[in-house]
Amino acid sequence: AQSVTQLGSHVSVSEGALVLLRCNYSSSVPPYLFWYVQYPNQGLQLLLKYTTGATLVKGINGFEAEFKKSETSFHLTKPSAHMSDAAEYFCAVILNTGGFKTIFGAGTRLFVKA
Amino acid sequence: NAGVTQTPKFRVLKTGQSMTLLCAQDMNHEYMYWYRQDPGMGLRLIHYSVGEGTTAKGEVPDGYNVSRLKKQNFLLGLESAAPSQTSVYFCASSTGAEAFFGQGTRLTVV
Repeated sequence: AQSVTQLGSHVSVSEGALVLLRCNYSSSVPPYLFWYVQYPNQGLQLLLKYTTGATLVKGINGFEAEFKKSETSFHLTKPSAHMSDAAEYFCAVILNTGGFKTIFGAGTRLFVKA
Repeated sequence: NAGVTQTPKFRVLKTGQSMTLLCAQDMNHEYMYWYRQDPGMGLRLIHYSVGEGTTAKGEVPDGYNVSRLKKQNFLLGLESAAPSQTSVYFCASSTGAEAFFGQGTRLTVV
């Protein structure tokens, strides 16, 4: 079975500080991994994805994530937080057992302090 | 290009009433999904479809039914609404990798 665990339901950083949102997955096969962002009262938007190839993946708005198979992790980082980064972030894995179902973590809400 | 469109955006139901949520996508995607989002629980899959005329149960299917009569549309039905179904509902479509989401339907059952 595949699942996703996000460590920390809330993370608070100061503007300009490093953003680190943690995600660990469990999967019996090589996973497809994603980070989505949700701004208030909106749907989810893809930030970045890992399918195959380079393990360091760059996404939109300066975010990146590194797939580490040995640690079963896919942590999301951004060197310098901006006020506009305040949102909820979801790590997700595709369950490739018919239907390519996306399974989500519980989400991490990012607060950015001025 | 509208992407994924959900109708309605907001709805208040009384316990026991029925309703249908409509999802329409214009990207010719085979796969479509209905999720519900509740605080602290992320998004949980209700039902999904791998193509026109097919449907399957997800993690939390009880109390919901779905239909996919046309490839571009995926309907979610509540036959007898319960307060536990108060949630934000998201529809998504996919080619098998990245999912594209609608803007959500906020449903309150009183």
